[in-house]
Amino acid sequence: DVQLAESGGGLVQPGGSLRLACVASRFSFSNCWMHWVRRAPGKGLVWLSGINADGSRTNYADAVKGRFTISRDNAKNTLYLQMNSLRAEDTAVYHCVAFGGNSNDAFDIWGQGTMVSVSS
Amino acid sequence: DFVMTQSPDSLAVSLGERATINCKSSQSVLYSSNNNNYLAWYQQKPGQPPKLLIYWASIRASGVPDRFSGSGSGTDFTLTISSLQAEDVAVYYCQQYINTPITFGQGTRLEIK
Repeated sequence: DVQLAESGGGLVQPGGSLRLACVASRFSFSNCWMHWVRRAPGKGLVWLSGINADGSRTNYADAVKGRFTISRDNAKNTLYLQMNSLRAEDTAVYHCVAFGGNSNDAFDIWGQGTMVSVSS
Repeated sequence: DFVMTQSPDSLAVSLGERATINCKSSQSVLYSSNNNNYLAWYQQKPGQPPKLLIYWASIRASGVPDRFSGSGSGTDFTLTISSLQAEDVAVYYCQQYINTPITFGQGTRLEIK
């Protein structure tokens, strides 16, 4: 089966940093737009950022612009999210998502997610 | 930003009955150049990542049962489950992807009556 597997979550103090990674397998990662989406406890889904297939274009939600950086390494089939200046409101499960990785024109492959907790 | 508003927030339906969830966008998600509505529906069960159900407003994703259907165009959309099964208990989200920031509805919690 096609798969995305996130890592790098954990507990961090406010103002701290974390780098999430997401490894793709069994689909054409280098041909897909990739995204990060989060879900805070008791809340809904929020899109954070996207990056095009070759990494030359990125988009960000206002809530994370200037603090988070999305990047990718197609040789390693890996997507990254560098998160700086973390706040309590960044506490959430973070999912990496592929657009069209399974031939459906939407967010059709989701990772299980990695939990990020921001607290002192 | 495109604001996506779902109704109702929660819904209880008897097994075998029809469930209907609505989604309204603050702006049209219809792209005139290809006549596609950039609207998707997702299902999220507890402890699982979201799962794509419908894209282009009405196209079922691979492997999705045909009791799930999507309809609508422009700003108003509907997800219908024709005959509710126990495994359909979940939170359902609509999403627009015609423009960034990509936005989701607030979610609709579907339960068994």
